[in-house]
Amino acid sequence: EPEVTQTPSHQVTQMGQEVILRCVPISNHLYFYWYRQILGQKVEFLVSFYNNEISEKSEIFDDQFSVERPDGSNFTLKIRSTKLEDSAMYFCASSGGAWRNEQFFGPGTRLTVL
Amino acid sequence: DAKTTQPPSMDCAEGRAANLPCNHSTISGNEYVYWYRQIHSQGPQYIIHGLKNNETNEMASLIITEDRKSSTLILPHATLRDTAVYYCIVRVGDSNYQLIWGAGTKLIIKP
Repeated sequence: EPEVTQTPSHQVTQMGQEVILRCVPISNHLYFYWYRQILGQKVEFLVSFYNNEISEKSEIFDDQFSVERPDGSNFTLKIRSTKLEDSAMYFCASSGGAWRNEQFFGPGTRLTVL
Repeated sequence: DAKTTQPPSMDCAEGRAANLPCNHSTISGNEYVYWYRQIHSQGPQYIIHGLKNNETNEMASLIITEDRKSSTLILPHATLRDTAVYYCIVRVGDSNYQLIWGAGTKLIIKP
């Protein structure tokens, strides 16, 4: 069964460093998403991406964040200058079509900022 | 904010049906009800969704009241592996793709 994959599973970085989280969505999907979940808290939407551009973003997704689909398979989230409060699980998701379609989630990347 | 209200936790005996309620009294006519679950800290897993008719798949059944103000997710024969946080989500609008998550219901299946 096709699945969303994410790398790395755990990333440790120093405050102020740049990190890139990588995702490989399901191959025929068209919509891509990033969510995050701070330990013990709710899942929070960050951004959605369609047709090589951001279709929606939340207030969390400020200028420190960017997304890219550099080739036909990868979808990345970049945090330019990490802060302690960026420590969280980051989940990538993809969906096949219109907004009614279910989103399939990857296993997540645990980001720890020291 | 999430447009749904769920009990924070529930218990269910293994092998019995688990019935998880959700209130969404402000749901709009074109909004769907989605259910996801999250086992420990894994990525959320899609379960089922519906608009107004009852739905069933290999994982669960979804019962939506006639006025659409509430719904119930039914896991017919709960197993220990069904222990998870279950999220009821109303999809917001037709130009907005995000899922807005509440706190969910922590379902504990007991042997």
